[in-house]
Amino acid sequence: KAGVTQTPRYLIKTRGQQVTLSCSPISGHRSVSWYQQTPGQGLQFLFEYFSETQRNKGNFPGRFSGRQFSNSRSEMNVSTLELGDSALYLCASSLEAGTDTQYFGPGTRLTVL
Amino acid sequence: GNSVTQMEGPVTLSEEAFLTINCTYTATGYPSLFWYVQYPGEGLQLLLKATKADDKGSNKGFEATYRKETTSFHLEKGSVQVSDSAVYFCALSTNAGKSTFGDGTTLTVKP
Repeated sequence: KAGVTQTPRYLIKTRGQQVTLSCSPISGHRSVSWYQQTPGQGLQFLFEYFSETQRNKGNFPGRFSGRQFSNSRSEMNVSTLELGDSALYLCASSLEAGTDTQYFGPGTRLTVL
Repeated sequence: GNSVTQMEGPVTLSEEAFLTINCTYTATGYPSLFWYVQYPGEGLQLLLKATKADDKGSNKGFEATYRKETTSFHLEKGSVQVSDSAVYFCALSTNAGKSTFGDGTTLTVKP
């Protein structure tokens, strides 16, 4: 069974631009969560989607948004990029929401110049 | 809110040494507890988990026991190898779905 895939793996953008990251969960998994990982802040929860609905949201500004499609694939969008948005963005999928084990993708490394 | 506190790193050990990485948590309800490992350039991988009090999770020689009375989930391994060098994250999740991770502990094992 294929694991969680994320595209692109690396991305370089400039301040003010917007970016869309994509995540394909493990087949059959219905829950997708997004995390931002930085050296200073560690792993921070962005949001979780389950059956196309946002179930939970972390403490990030409205510039960060996401959605989930009927095939469970998910996208994350960041508008008006700032230097501080440079990070590794990780996607994780699980069969169900709640306390189920999460399976992580390799991440998208975003650099904002 | 929920929180996870991990032992600060980095931790440097010699091969075959005993490893303990402390993890304590605060949470409402009855969370599930996890240890994830992240190797350089990769995403996180589940190492082990426990879903209720007194459960012991184990995998690849690593163990952790869910202690409700001390709200702890310490990671242990009797004899570490160079290949265990990685960043280890303690995490919890609740039925509400939001997962909380510790800051990660970097382990370096020297031959």
